[in-house]
Amino acid sequence: EAGVAQSPRYKIIEKRQSVAFWCNPISGHATLYWYQQILGQGPKLLIQFQNNGVVDDSQLPKDRFSAERLKGVDSTLKIQPAKLEDSAVYLCASSLLLGSSYEQYFGPGTRLTVT
Amino acid sequence: QQQVKQSPQSLIVQKGGISIINCAYENTAFDYFPWYQQFPGKGPALLIAIRPDVSEKKEGRFTISFNKSAKQFSLHIMDSQPGDSATYFCAATKGAQKLVFGQGTRLTINP
Repeated sequence: EAGVAQSPRYKIIEKRQSVAFWCNPISGHATLYWYQQILGQGPKLLIQFQNNGVVDDSQLPKDRFSAERLKGVDSTLKIQPAKLEDSAVYLCASSLLLGSSYEQYFGPGTRLTVT
Repeated sequence: QQQVKQSPQSLIVQKGGISIINCAYENTAFDYFPWYQQFPGKGPALLIAIRPDVSEKKEGRFTISFNKSAKQFSLHIMDSQPGDSATYFCAATKGAQKLVFGQGTRLTINP
């Protein structure tokens, strides 16, 4: 079974530029999460989708971050304009939600450096 | 109330020893407690998980101990190996909601 795919793996941009990240979840997983992991910290949720609907975006800085999950499969996370404090690893995770199984499986992440 | 507190921040263990990482939570609504292992440049990988209706779960060299009354849980790695050197995160969630992660423990196993 293929895992969660993310691209690009690395991105360096200047502040005030825009950037987009892509995620393809495990086949059949209805729930998709975007987490931000700042160096030396645990991941923190940015947004959660159930199919193509938003379940939780309470921690998403909506003035600069946006995300979509068209057709309930892959997803794109965008930052515009980027700030220095956005430097982090952006992790995508997916979950099947079969019965009482809640396991979330993570992709390799996109490391963003804002200069 | 959404916090999960993890300790220690870093841990050095000799090969063959037991590594112990502790976590504490406040939200009694949490019903799923996974541990993730993360190597540099990789995403977190699910290691083992427990639900609050059991006090212990063992998978190979990895054991979770769960104390519901104290709102604490811990990861024990028996016969620790250099390949276990990684950062470990505890987490908690309710149902399919977001994972709330601890701060992480950088584990180093000395050969």
